[in-house]
Amino acid sequence: QEQLVQSGAEVKKPGSSVKVSCKTSRDTFSNYAINWVRQAPGQGLEWMGGVFGTANYAQKFQGRVTMTADESTTTVYMELSSLTSEDTAVYYCAKVVTAMTPKGAGDVFDTWGQGTMVTVTS
Amino acid sequence: DIQMTQSPSSLSASVGDSVTITCRASQPIRNYVNWYQQKPGEAPKLVIFVASSLQNGVPSRFSGSGSGMDFTLTIRRLQPEDFATYYCQQSDSTPYTFGQGTKLEI
Repeated sequence: QEQLVQSGAEVKKPGSSVKVSCKTSRDTFSNYAINWVRQAPGQGLEWMGGVFGTANYAQKFQGRVTMTADESTTTVYMELSSLTSEDTAVYYCAKVVTAMTPKGAGDVFDTWGQGTMVTVTS
Repeated sequence: DIQMTQSPSSLSASVGDSVTITCRASQPIRNYVNWYQQKPGEAPKLVIFVASSLQNGVPSRFSGSGSGMDFTLTIRRLQPEDFATYYCQQSDSTPYTFGQGTKLEI
């Protein structure tokens, strides 16, 4: 069974940066986009962006987020800078598959990492 | 950005009941809605994709329907393991957006 393995929890100070990793398989790295979704405590899911060759970011995070991929280790990274307390959340990576159905071909997040808790506190 | 409005935000039900959760998009999104189940402390899990296709391994008591702007997730004969939070998500265009979630409680 495919697994995405994320790095461990982080505690950061306001104004600093955090870099979260997502280890994938060779097949996943080569063939699928990895997207990032975050979830603040007790809140819903928020899409941040994704990377497959090039990166595509939600406008909310433009200028503050960088998503990169290292082919040698088949690991995808999400770096978020200028952290504030509002960035305290669980960050998930997810593999995006284009599902072919009679109703159309749509992107789905079919495999998720276990999540990385990022706490921003002074 | 496309807004996804989910209702209800919470729902109480019993084992054996059937429930329906609805999701409305702020503009037409064809059939590009996915539904995820999330249990406390866990990552979301895909349940239904492209409005009505059942993800491998998900019981057939789950079903999805709808197109355009209005979508539903129905769970028949609720089992104890179905009590969780459910999210709809549109994948018609980026930024992909989620509904605010429906917490299904006993």
